[in-house]
Formats: sequence, structure tokens, C-alpha cells
Amino acid sequence: SQQGEEDPQALSIQEGENATMNCSYKTSINNLQWYRQNSGRGLVHLILIRSNEREKHSGRLRVTLDTSKKSSSLLITASRAADTASYFCATDESGNTGKLIFGQGTTLQVKP
Amino acid sequence: ETGVTQSPTHLIKTRGQQVTLRCSSQSGHNTVSWYQQALGQGPQFIFQYYREEENGRGNFPPRFSGLQFPNYSSELNVNALELDDSALYLCASSRDRGYYGYTFGSGTRLTVV
Repeated sequence: SQQGEEDPQALSIQEGENATMNCSYKTSINNLQWYRQNSGRGLVHLILIRSNEREKHSGRLRVTLDTSKKSSSLLITASRAADTASYFCATDESGNTGKLIFGQGTTLQVKP
Repeated sequence: ETGVTQSPTHLIKTRGQQVTLRCSSQSGHNTVSWYQQALGQGPQFIFQYYREEENGRGNFPPRFSGLQFPNYSSELNVNALELDDSALYLCASSRDRGYYGYTFGSGTRLTVV
């Protein structure tokens, strides 16, 4: 079952613009993670935010987490053509089940 | 440090056959998870192994089974293959059941005909 719902499903922007993707989930979580996937290959871990954190930065990435609304957002600033990929949020449910539950993903296209 | 290595990269099997997929975890990682990703979908959790014991299982039938070895590498076995098993199979390793996040391999593309 898919827990996360990501919005939008697809996003097309110009190089240099910012890209924002949103993720909603349903259950209590230990943490929420964002991953990038290029052309159906393996996933690359971008950032992990724990349930007691509200905001985290890594380079051009900014992630926010609102546990009261069960939602998160990923902001990519000053986007580059190389950022073109699918982006997935994944939640690590409370209770240490070992399971990451992924959303359907947002497909980002950055035009040069 | 080496990353996660999966083999083979591509595989074509006939319905009803059995398949074994392999994963070498990243150095220092003691946890391995397996995911199935259908085209256009997010990955679906199959199961996780932590220090050679199963630590959680998703909604997959028993014909999906796995192993983790003392060196923390892992195998995913699928018996009685069905056409719907065609997917990208991803292995992910981590320290301590994913506390710091996961490192994914490039996946095995399985096609069942």
C-alpha cells in the first residue's frame, strides 16, 4: 500500500528556478526521507528528517516536516538540468517495522 | 567505501520459473531491505533482514523469500514467477535498521514472459 501522496505528479521548470514538491502521509512516523531516481535506476538518498525536526537543509535542498498536518515539502533552489529526475518521499513508520513506505513520486523536468 | 551492488542487472524468465537476485550491502551496514518497483510506481517493501533475521515483511506472498548471510549480503528468491512479477527489484542497505537512511543499489530489471 502507498502511504504517501505526492503533489504535483509532474513539474516542469526552467533552469535557475526553484522546484517545490509536497508529500502527505497517513500514520505516525519515526522519520521521513526523500530520494531521487534517474530513469528507473536506483534511488539516491537525499535527506532524512526526524519526527521531532521541523526543517533541514542540505546544499540546495530544504525539507520541512509538519507532523500535525502529516505533510512534508522538498524545495530545490536554483535548479539545474541535472536535477531532472523522479523524487520520492518515504516514511519510516513508528514501531520500527523496518518498512519504508513510498509515495508515487514527482517527476521533475528542468529545461536548460 | 563501496556502495550496494546488485546482480544481475537484467533478467528474462519464463512464467512458472524460479529466480534468485543477489545484493552485496555497503561496508559497515548490517541491514538489507528489498523493494519491488513496477513501472511508474513507487517502490513497494518486500522484506527486511537485520543481522540475518527477518525484521519485517510487506504484503507479498510466501513465494517471495529471502536470506541474509553472515557478511550481510542478501538474496531474494521468487518461486513460480507470474507475469505481474515483472518489475525493478531494488536492494537497500543501512546501519541499524535504517536509522540513518538507506543506500540503494541500481536494481535488477526482471521481465517475466
